[in-house]
Amino acid sequence: GENVEQHPSTLSVQEGDSAVIKCTYSDSASNYFPWYKQELGKRPQLIIDIRSNVGEKKDQRIAVTLNKTAKHFSLHITETQPEDSAVYFCAATLNTGGFKTIFGAGTRLFVKA
Amino acid sequence: EAQVTQNPRYLITVTGKKLTVTCSQNMNHEYMSWYRQDPGLGLRQIYYSMNVEVTDKGDVPEGYKVSRKEKRNFPLILESPSPNQTSLYFCASSHTSGIDDEQFFGPGTRLTVL
Repeated sequence: GENVEQHPSTLSVQEGDSAVIKCTYSDSASNYFPWYKQELGKRPQLIIDIRSNVGEKKDQRIAVTLNKTAKHFSLHITETQPEDSAVYFCAATLNTGGFKTIFGAGTRLFVKA
Repeated sequence: EAQVTQNPRYLITVTGKKLTVTCSQNMNHEYMSWYRQDPGLGLRQIYYSMNVEVTDKGDVPEGYKVSRKEKRNFPLILESPSPNQTSLYFCASSHTSGIDDEQFFGPGTRLTVL
């Protein structure tokens, strides 16, 4: 079945620096890759997503890249701010007759002021 | 207000005592799903439903049951809870059964099984 690996598990950056989180997936049938942000004690919320027919997508300070050949996708946050501190989850969704979503284990991002 | 609700939010129970966690959405969403979240493991899908009366197993369905008799409700049933089901549970829904629809999560239910 599908497996999603996420690195690093913890990331600490200085305010204003960039942060990069990387994920790999195993099933080439996966074709939708969302990223969720979960603040402490809150529910996960979608921040950006990318479909398998797109290589890159950007939304203000957040961008996601996808390399289908290598089965890699990455989240890039530029000009980080303290409010970016949270746990970030990548996920891969594939059509198995229904739609299964497999999440990575999460990255805890600390942005130091 | 458009939302996904779960009840109860917190539950402490004992091994073997059947329980149900309710999930309801008021957005007329077709797709609903249950996840459990454990430290270091991320979110793992338990069951999902593409529409009324259509359910299927996710990655970790053992020990759980679900039903989808109405579009808005998707209860999670633990017939005989065990301590390894202690976890934080999230219900989620999305507008259609399209693979690329955003999932909206409920507030979570923290379950402890003693």
